[in-house]
Amino acid sequence: GDSVTQMEGPVTLSEEAFLTINCTYTATGYPSLFWYVQYPGEGLQLLLKATKADDKGSNKGFEATYRKETTSFHLEKGSVQVSDSAVYFCALSENNNDMRFGAGTRLTVKP
Amino acid sequence: KAGVTQTPRYLIKTRGQQVTLSCSPISGHRSVSWYQQTPGQGLQFLFEYFSETQRNKGNFPGRFSGRQFSNSRSEMNVSTLELGDSALYLCASSSTAGTRTEKLFFGSGTQLSVL
Repeated sequence: GDSVTQMEGPVTLSEEAFLTINCTYTATGYPSLFWYVQYPGEGLQLLLKATKADDKGSNKGFEATYRKETTSFHLEKGSVQVSDSAVYFCALSENNNDMRFGAGTRLTVKP
Repeated sequence: KAGVTQTPRYLIKTRGQQVTLSCSPISGHRSVSWYQQTPGQGLQFLFEYFSETQRNKGNFPGRFSGRQFSNSRSEMNVSTLELGDSALYLCASSSTAGTRTEKLFFGSGTQLSVL
């Protein structure tokens, strides 16, 4: 079945460092891909998404490109801030809102 | 516009008891999904309801059930609680179902502890 594998954390970076969180997927068809973020004590919020190959999702300085050839959707940000500290989830959905999530990567950004 | 509301925020139960969690979706949203979040298993899909019908179900035992009312509010029930049911239960709503590109809006969750 469909699944998502993302790099395990935790990831600790200094402010203004470059961030990459790897995500690869397995799917039978052509899923939509998502990155969600979860701040402490809150539910998940959609960060960005891409619906077809070569699409680039972007939001708040974060970017991810849907790479069908490598079945990947890596999350990147050029300069992280303390406020970016959260847990990041890669996810895919093929139908009926049955969204499959990766295990989550905890990011801590230190000043 | 109010977000997804889950009640209660915290619950403590003992093994063998049953529990009912509630979720009120964003106004106008007809699809409600439930997820279980644990440190070991991450986020796992429980089920999805659309217009009072269960459309999709994850790989959970029959002790986990749900329903949706005509106003789109949803409840999730877990019977004969086990220690392993301790988790954060998240509800998510969306405006349509069957559209794979749809965005989910999550509530803050109900933290269930089973003693």
